[in-house]
Amino acid sequence: AQKITQTQPGMFVQEKEAVTLDCTYDTSDQSYGLFWYKQPSSGEMIFLIYQGSYDEQNATEGRYSLNFQKARKSANLVISASQLGDSAMYFCAMREGTGTASKLTFGTGTRLQVTL
Amino acid sequence: KAGVTQTPRYLIKTRGQQVTLSCSPISGHRSVSWYQQTPGQGLQFLFEYFSETQRNKGNFPGRFSGRQFSNSRSEMNVSTLELGDSALYLCASSSGLREQYFGPGTRLTVT
Repeated sequence: AQKITQTQPGMFVQEKEAVTLDCTYDTSDQSYGLFWYKQPSSGEMIFLIYQGSYDEQNATEGRYSLNFQKARKSANLVISASQLGDSAMYFCAMREGTGTASKLTFGTGTRLQVTL
Repeated sequence: KAGVTQTPRYLIKTRGQQVTLSCSPISGHRSVSWYQQTPGQGLQFLFEYFSETQRNKGNFPGRFSGRQFSNSRSEMNVSTLELGDSALYLCASSSGLREQYFGPGTRLTVT
């Protein structure tokens, strides 16, 4: 079974509109972390936002917010006021367990295209 | 603070050769992880090093190896290159559970 599922291969959004990128996950661990990354065509993975499984509030970082629904095992990324520069691939990833291991499992990504 | 740096950025090798990629983490970060990204398999974890010790390993053949030096810089080596090793190799560093910062990657082409 997929540990991280991103069901939207591609999305279009108009400039200045908000967009939600979906991510569902599967784990039996009680402690885990969820990450979102942006990958432009240059290839670099840019860290956007993190949500810990025990965090009481949804994470926010500027125009990015994470809609974390633990019972539904979903961690959707919301981008407000989209900009042309937001056009890129977006990946959801999960770190399972505690300790200091840094292994991330990634989803297949969503390609976001922002239009005028 | 400087970000994660990877060298070289681009590399072309021939089947059967070996290659070494280098990663310098963010200053103060002791954990370095490596990932392979291909169109077919997506992003896959290779291994993680912490304080010069391999702490975790992904499901890759023994041709893929790595090491970490006392200054936290890391290298990964791929021996006997195959066409399927063509990929973007990404290195990430972290200082805790809530972050993992990636470098620009090394794009390896095997001909």
